[in-house]
Amino acid sequence: AQTVTQSQPEMSVQEAETVTLSCTYDTSESNYYLFWYKQPPSRQMILVIRQEAYKQQNATENRFSVNFQKAAKSFSLKISDSQLGDTAMYFCAFFTGNQFYFGTGTSLTVIP
Amino acid sequence: SAVISQKPSRDICQRGTSLTIQCQVDSQVTMMFWYRQQPGQSLTLIATANQGSEATYESGFVIDKFPISRPNLTFSTLTVSNMSPEDSSIYLCSVEGWNGYTFGSGTRLTVV
Repeated sequence: AQTVTQSQPEMSVQEAETVTLSCTYDTSESNYYLFWYKQPPSRQMILVIRQEAYKQQNATENRFSVNFQKAAKSFSLKISDSQLGDTAMYFCAFFTGNQFYFGTGTSLTVIP
Repeated sequence: SAVISQKPSRDICQRGTSLTIQCQVDSQVTMMFWYRQQPGQSLTLIATANQGSEATYESGFVIDKFPISRPNLTFSTLTVSNMSPEDSSIYLCSVEGWNGYTFGSGTRLTVV
């Protein structure tokens, strides 16, 4: 079975500090895409960062970066210089090309 | 967390036709959400469906184009009507349960 696990239901971080959200997954696929989405109260799902599984280099998007370890099936999200606007639910997901699999989310609170 | 069965997983449809996507949840949930993901973009919320009331549509989405049914607390359908190639996307349903969000596996729609 293909699964995504986010083991941290809730996290908090001081403004301007760095926080890492963990995500592990299990799949038998060799080619897939990994995503982190941010969900504000509006319930929109904003794409934060994506990683192609065939790429060894970790994706970076401004203050957001990932630590992708394919062998360990781990895909953590690092948020640097946390801002109050980063407060949201964060979902990790992977896409096989046909189907999505999502984690249950991590609620992140940035403390002023 | 809840388990969602979403069907079909993919389809190729002729322009001008309609497709109905189903989501069945293994437990009763109050709120169900329908999203669309166009290639390389965020998941865009189409509408929120509560049982026993009309669905609430986000800006840019209308009931005539995306009629939604929510006949009970475990089931919902989204219809993509009068399809055009611009409707080619992945459509996902999601539910908010007592312990967080769960997502369907998605329906990959291609309109030709």
